[in-house]
Amino acid sequence: GENVEQHPSTLSVQEGDSAVIKCTYSDSASNYFPWYKQELGKRPQLIIDIRSNVGEKKDQRIAVTLNKTAKHFSLHITETQPEDSAVYFCAASNINNNDMRFGAGTRLTVKP
Amino acid sequence: GAVVSQHPSRVICKSGTSVKIECRSLDFQATTMFWYRQFPKQSLMLMATSNEGSKATYEQGVEKDKFLINHASLTLSTLTVTSAHPEDSSFYICSASLVETQYFGPGTRLLVL
Repeated sequence: GENVEQHPSTLSVQEGDSAVIKCTYSDSASNYFPWYKQELGKRPQLIIDIRSNVGEKKDQRIAVTLNKTAKHFSLHITETQPEDSAVYFCAASNINNNDMRFGAGTRLTVKP
Repeated sequence: GAVVSQHPSRVICKSGTSVKIECRSLDFQATTMFWYRQFPKQSLMLMATSNEGSKATYEQGVEKDKFLINHASLTLSTLTVTSAHPEDSSFYICSASLVETQYFGPGTRLLVL
């Protein structure tokens, strides 16, 4: 089955700096890679996703890159703000079987 | 769009009792719903995949007789924790899939005394 690894487990940046979170996956059949943001005690919220036929996707300050050959994908947050502080989870799934596996999470702290 | 509700949000029960948690997709039909368990500061652990009208598929190590899942309609799935024990205390989150994306409910915090 799919195994997703996520690094780092914690990340602290200064407001305005960039933050990068990296994930690797094991199953070459995975073709959909969402990123979720979870604030304390709340539900995970989808913030961006990418399919395997695309190498990069951007939405304002958030971007995701995918390297299918190396089986890794990354989340990039630019111009970080204190409200970006949360736990971020990457995930990988195969669209055909809906089997989604999550990384262990990264706790991002943005210091004002 | 793509709103998922979950009830109750918080429940405290005595050891040995059963607790039912409901998960509803409010504005879309979800053929597949998922149940996760999340311990403090840990990731989401998939417990089972629930397909409307059929038996749930449980992950290895999850007792199907203890965690009963019913997916009676395209908008409702329920998880019943039977004979709950303190070690079952956790945050339970459901999700519903719309195409390839999963949308999560707000979660249910269960405390078993």
